[in-house]
Amino acid sequence: EVQLLESGGGLVQPGGSLRLSCAASGFTFSSYAMNWVRQAPGKGLEWVSTVSGSGGSTFYADSVKGRFTISRDNSKNTLYLQMNSLRAEDTAVYYCAKTCETSPGFCMDVWGKGTTVTVSS
Amino acid sequence: SYEMTQPLSVSVALGQTARITCGGNNIGSKNVHWYQQKPGQAPVLVIYRDNNRPSGIPERFSGSNSGNTATLTISRAQAGDEADYYCQVWDSTTYVFGTGTKVTVL
Repeated sequence: EVQLLESGGGLVQPGGSLRLSCAASGFTFSSYAMNWVRQAPGKGLEWVSTVSGSGGSTFYADSVKGRFTISRDNSKNTLYLQMNSLRAEDTAVYYCAKTCETSPGFCMDVWGKGTTVTVSS
Repeated sequence: SYEMTQPLSVSVALGQTARITCGGNNIGSKNVHWYQQKPGQAPVLVIYRDNNRPSGIPERFSGSNSGNTATLTISRAQAGDEADYYCQVWDSTTYVFGTGTKVTVL
């Protein structure tokens, strides 16, 4: 069964840092681009970042560029999101999602259950 | 940056047809994907590349895309179809989600 399991969320003060992880299983992890998508309380979905299967190409939303870093360890089947300089508006549920095909830019066919990040003093 | 607009809400009678629109500049030239999200749950892909259904998605779900509007159609609506629906495209080097539509089945 294809599964994604996020972890690492929690309460952090403004300006702080947090690293999210997403453990993948049931598919050839290195063959697919992977994504982070977030949803603030009561709001819609917002794409955060995407990384290619090899990890060589990364893409970011303007709202997180320069503060967040996406990476992956294909030997561990794990996706990461390093979040620095956190702001109150980064408070959200963060979902890990698998791209339908090898390259970035396609649909997202498998989603994790999400991990909650709260930025507050 | 590219933007897509959806109606805030759509109501449909049980067993009737709901149509959810996603408006964007020349969206017909892009591949549009649709996601269903029920309260407290992760999104689920229901239509990809305009009009394709993933395995396990009922035939009642269909999509179209032309000009400046993409449409998700839910035929013979059921109570279980109540959810938020989002359109999505890839624009150059970014993903963009629509504003989301809450579907209520009466």
